Amino acid sequence: DIQMTQSPSSLSASVGDSVTITCRASQSISTFLNWYQQKPGKAPNLLIYAASTSFQSGVPSRFSGSGSGTDFTLTISNLQPEDFATYYCQQSHSAPFTFGGGTKVEIK
Amino acid sequence: QVTLRESGPALVKPTQTLTLTCTFSGFSLSTSGMCVTWIRQPPGKALEWLARIDWDDDKYYSTSLKTRLTISKDTSKNQVVLTMTNMDPVDTATYYCVRNRASLSGGMDVWGQGTTVTVSS
Repeated sequence: DIQMTQSPSSLSASVGDSVTITCRASQSISTFLNWYQQKPGKAPNLLIYAASTSFQSGVPSRFSGSGSGTDFTLTISNLQPEDFATYYCQQSHSAPFTFGGGTKVEIK
Repeated sequence: QVTLRESGPALVKPTQTLTLTCTFSGFSLSTSGMCVTWIRQPPGKALEWLARIDWDDDKYYSTSLKTRLTISKDTSKNQVVLTMTNMDPVDTATYYCVRNRASLSGGMDVWGQGTTVTVSS
């Protein structure tokens, strides 16, 4: 199985900050990497697929993804109050299509 | 509009078999590139990928759970069924069914609201 390791597991930031979340795969997954946002009590939402493609126009441009191979990042620029949530990466390269452990973004 | 809805028992006893049904609308699982995945999330914990079934009936399972899981589809009813045998309290979780599309590089774009399953005697 491909192991997905996210870091940090949690972070505190202020509105207006820029934050970066890292996801590392245990083997190369090309750009088969997706990012999801989950708010408490809700199902996750797809933010970015194929490592760097915003899912739809409803995803603010302050969310950006990059990376290929084994190392990926999700950057949130100009953090807004509605961005405080938990973020998960997930590989869709090969089954089983594993998730990272999540990164909780909290208000400082 | 694409929707998915999970249904099944809220409470199961240890050793019982759990059967969850995902009923969806707005797409066909016979369309090339369409897939439905089951994911679960124990309280306060991370998402766990469980199983996926594809439009061509290919099936994929979690390595750690594959001996206990079966996924199937009924295209005419727009349903996907997941069974999990020998339930244990550690299987207590919210279970989600999700659509994914090959055109999104396997990204899961529409999620059900989830159904909470508690395993307890």
